[in-house]
Parts: sequence; C-alpha cells; structure tokens
Amino acid sequence: GAVVSQHPSRVICKSGTSVKIECRSLDFQATTMFWYRQFPKQSLMLMATSNEGSKATYEQGVEKDKFLINHASLTLSTLTVTSAHPEDSSFYICSAEGSVDEQYFGPGTRLTVT
Amino acid sequence: AQSVTQPDIHITVSEGASLELRCNYSYGATPYLFWYVQSPGQGLQLLLKYFSGDTLVQGIKGFEAEFKRSQSSFNLRKPSVHWSDAAEYFCAVGGRSNDMRFGAGTRLTVKP
Repeated sequence: GAVVSQHPSRVICKSGTSVKIECRSLDFQATTMFWYRQFPKQSLMLMATSNEGSKATYEQGVEKDKFLINHASLTLSTLTVTSAHPEDSSFYICSAEGSVDEQYFGPGTRLTVT
Repeated sequence: AQSVTQPDIHITVSEGASLELRCNYSYGATPYLFWYVQSPGQGLQLLLKYFSGDTLVQGIKGFEAEFKRSQSSFNLRKPSVHWSDAAEYFCAVGGRSNDMRFGAGTRLTVKP
C-alpha cells in the first residue's frame, strides 16, 4: 500500500515551453502533497506544499508564477513548469502525506530543458 | 530552525562488512527522524523512522538506527552489507511532515 506515482518519468522540452508533471497517490487519499527538487548529487529541497482545494505554500526563493501547483483532488497534484529554461533542468520528486506524519515518495521525474 | 548534517559524503565498505552512516540533527523539540534510501534515478524509499519510544529502531533490509538525544544523533547501521545496498542514503528530521528537512546524503559504495 501507500504507492505514489509520477508521470512522466522523463521529459525533454524546449526552452520557453511549459511542462506538466503529475503526482498521484494510487491507493490512499492525500490532503497534502509535497514537491521537491533535487540537483545532481545533492539533497532534496522542498519547493512547495500542496493542499487539496487550496493554494500551495511555496518555500522561500521558489517562484510561484513559474512553478504552478494544482491539487484538485485528494489523489492528484500537478506541477507545471512554465516558460522553462535550461536552469530548470532537474529531478523533481513529489510525495504524499499518509498517516502518522509520514511521506510516501514518488519515483521522480527527470526534466531536461534544451 | 531544524537542520540535518550527514558528515560523510561518500563511504566505501566491503561486502559483508558492517556499516554505520552518521546523522546529526538540530531541532527545538523532540524530532521525528527518518532514514531514506535512493537508488540512481529513483525516488526515496523509507528504511525506518523514529517518532517516540524505544530509541533503537529496526527497519527494512536489515537496517537499524539508534536515537541518541544527548548526542543529537540518529546513526544508521547494518551488520553485514550486501552489494545491493549500494545507493544514496538520506537522513531527515521534522516535527510534522510538512516541516521535513533532509541531509545532504551519503553515497555508499560496496566493494566485492
């Protein structure tokens, strides 16, 4: 149980375009989901907290107009990288909050902006 | 503010040898502590967690960790490492899951 999926697993897009990443909790409902960014050989950095039915809370330094988060249902949160640039290339990981203050992580999405 | 320090960026051990990965934390109250493992290009898998109670926590894949409040540490151990344990290991601390912070990670290499 407690499986989180992400789609796509890899995406390549051209500079200036937008790309959407989906995060789904497959066998449980998650009021809260989280989006992380991970640069090569570095740790996870929390980008934002996504709450179903309300606006996301962004960490300091994260541009909310560039990284649009929508959490429209209890099983789906989406991250849209708008007007992507090469510096946005990264590994994006989502997680969903389960019971007892535990996060379940998705497999990640590798974004490459050319 | 909470923080996590993993002093060892990279550790190499021989297969069958014991392993200890260090984690030190800074947190104002009793923390929730976690160890995750990440294989290349993959998400994170929870190895074990400490919320309260017994300070020696057993996890999956033969891992254990000990919470030592006096030393602000939560070191991960395994008595005998397998080649499949080669991965990146992250220690994390938080009060609630929306307050979680990760260490920089320790990369484990296992020699045959």
